[in-house]
Amino acid sequence: DTGVSQNPRHKITKRGQNVTFRCDPISEHNRLYWYRQTLGQGPEFLTYFQNEAQLEKSRLLSDRFSAERPKGSFSTLEIQRTEQGDSAMYLCASSLKGGYGYTFGSGTRLTVV
Amino acid sequence: GEDVEQSLFLSVREGDSSVINCTYTDSSSTYLYWYKQEPGAGLQLLTYIFSNMDMKQDQRLTVLLNKKDKHLSLRIADTQTGDSAIYFCAGELIFGAGTRLAVHP
Repeated sequence: DTGVSQNPRHKITKRGQNVTFRCDPISEHNRLYWYRQTLGQGPEFLTYFQNEAQLEKSRLLSDRFSAERPKGSFSTLEIQRTEQGDSAMYLCASSLKGGYGYTFGSGTRLTVV
Repeated sequence: GEDVEQSLFLSVREGDSSVINCTYTDSSSTYLYWYKQEPGAGLQLLTYIFSNMDMKQDQRLTVLLNKKDKHLSLRIADTQTGDSAIYFCAGELIFGAGTRLAVHP
């Protein structure tokens, strides 16, 4: 297993466009998390899944954001009608259920122009 | 809401001990974590402590937990230049803003 994989590594998009990111977790991990990190800040929690069930969403997650994990394996994060304020590093992490900490991917850097 | 607070910057001399402090508001986290982020790299789990423990030692790292004061600290003994990074304190879902550790000769 090569760890948590995120694609693409970088995405530049025009304001108003939709973007979709993909995360492939470590195969035996049943929990998958999405975070957003901006310069000089810690990761901000967005949402997490246990298997295919989305268990919690941050109030930061506006209705322009949606995440799925259809078969309990990979996950996608879609941002509709992107805004300049969406520019950030989007991080995916996975873990075994509870208490083992996260393994993070390298992130997808989004730039909205 | 839940919050994790850390001092933003710490500078130490090589060979000295570093102590990075964190306070948190959510007492429901079963575990508390320290992550390390080196320049241009992803976050890496450094160590963690179960919430009913008050100390955990792992080689040069010592984690102290004061549940009454909701205070967590990470001590790095014999700090090296390779320890220069940003260190994040975290509960189950919430991360602090990170402490940048600078190690100088």
